[in-house]
Amino acid sequence: KQEVTQIPAALSVPEGENLVLNCSFTDSAIYNLQWFRQDPGKGLTSLLLIQSSQREQTSGRLNASLDKSSGRSTLYIAASQPGDSATYLCAVLGGSSNTGKLIFGQGTTLQVKP
Amino acid sequence: KAGVTQTPRYLIKTRGQQVTLSCSPISGHRSVSWYQQTPGQGLQFLFEYFSETQRNKGNFPGRFSGRQFSNSRSEMNVSTLELGDSALYLCASRKDRGQSYEQYFGPGTRLTVT
Repeated sequence: KQEVTQIPAALSVPEGENLVLNCSFTDSAIYNLQWFRQDPGKGLTSLLLIQSSQREQTSGRLNASLDKSSGRSTLYIAASQPGDSATYLCAVLGGSSNTGKLIFGQGTTLQVKP
Repeated sequence: KAGVTQTPRYLIKTRGQQVTLSCSPISGHRSVSWYQQTPGQGLQFLFEYFSETQRNKGNFPGRFSGRQFSNSRSEMNVSTLELGDSALYLCASRKDRGQSYEQYFGPGTRLTVT
């Protein structure tokens, strides 16, 4: 049974810091991994998607890496800003494309202080 | 291009009642998945519909049901509401064509059961 874990559960940093959020999963047979952002009481915004055959993806100040063999992904946020404050969730899609079932971690709540 | 829309955005119901939530996917997307988000359990997969058929199902009681229409719009129904059904209900759509299978989420429906 696939389990996804995110560490830390919460993180508070001063503005301008570079930071890394961690995600681990127990079954390496994944199709892809997505990172999402969620603002309080809102839906999820997709940030980055990494296919199982890829090692990393970049979008602006965000960089996500994937090491499928060790069951790990990281989300790197460069030069953090107060507007980055949100909960970040990672989710894996099982080994087949014939499913929409994402398994989510519990999330990391990030606070960036001005 | 319009995103995933969900109606209503907020609902207050009484124990024992039933409720129907609606989700309109992004145009051209054929897969719709539903998730329940609570502070204690996080995001949990309810079910997925593809081409009007339930393709995957999570571990929820039979009180939770859904359907998909020919235009890919989906509804989920919860009968005999319990206090524990209070949650943010999110739907997600994906194209189900191509390679990425990226999922896009709606803003959610906040259900409060009193």
